[in-house]
Amino acid sequence: GESVGLHLPTLSVQEGDNSIINCAYSNSASDYFIWYKQESGKGPQFIIDIRSNMDKRQGQRVTVLLNKTVKHLSLQIAATQPGDSAVYFCAEMGATDSWGKLQFGAGTQVVVTP
Amino acid sequence: DAGVIQSPRHEVTEMGQEVTLRCKPISGHDYLFWYRQTMMRGLELLIYFNNNVPIDDSGMPEDRFSAKMPNASFSTLKIQPSEPRDSAVYFCASSLTVVAGNTIYFGEGSWLTVV
Repeated sequence: GESVGLHLPTLSVQEGDNSIINCAYSNSASDYFIWYKQESGKGPQFIIDIRSNMDKRQGQRVTVLLNKTVKHLSLQIAATQPGDSAVYFCAEMGATDSWGKLQFGAGTQVVVTP
Repeated sequence: DAGVIQSPRHEVTEMGQEVTLRCKPISGHDYLFWYRQTMMRGLELLIYFNNNVPIDDSGMPEDRFSAKMPNASFSTLKIQPSEPRDSAVYFCASSLTVVAGNTIYFGEGSWLTVV
């Protein structure tokens, strides 16, 4: 079936460097995407979202890029800090879908090294 | 705001016992969700409620699982009888509305171990 998945299960980044977390999706009907951050022992926390009518959206130190042609989503974290160590999930759904249709990817573990 | 509050945070129980997980959503949120997270299957939606009414329970694994929402500020997820394969983190979440663009807020989870 169609699903959201992540290419890299673990990403090791040196403190101060930029991080890029990738996500591939296969459901061409998906037009709303969300990135969540999950720290150890906590629940997922919303980071940033993007609709399919955009190809880029920026937040504080984070940028989400959407390439609909190749069904690819990425999350860029600028100047990675120790507090960025977490599992990052992409999630996708149709913009008019109910939350029950929100599909989470497998997650990428980001480890920030000093 | 206190966020979504779940209890217990950790529970260890013996196989066959009943487990009840509790959730208090964010005040004013009219959607409530129960998710389960495991290493094998990731985050899975079990059931969600709108205005205390179950809307979609297709993710509930089997009849051993049941969820209720007697009022806008409280929900329970019950497993009876529990089995070792139910060991997981169970998250409750809430949202203002179901329209994309509104955030789902997650609780910190209930870590369940069935031995």
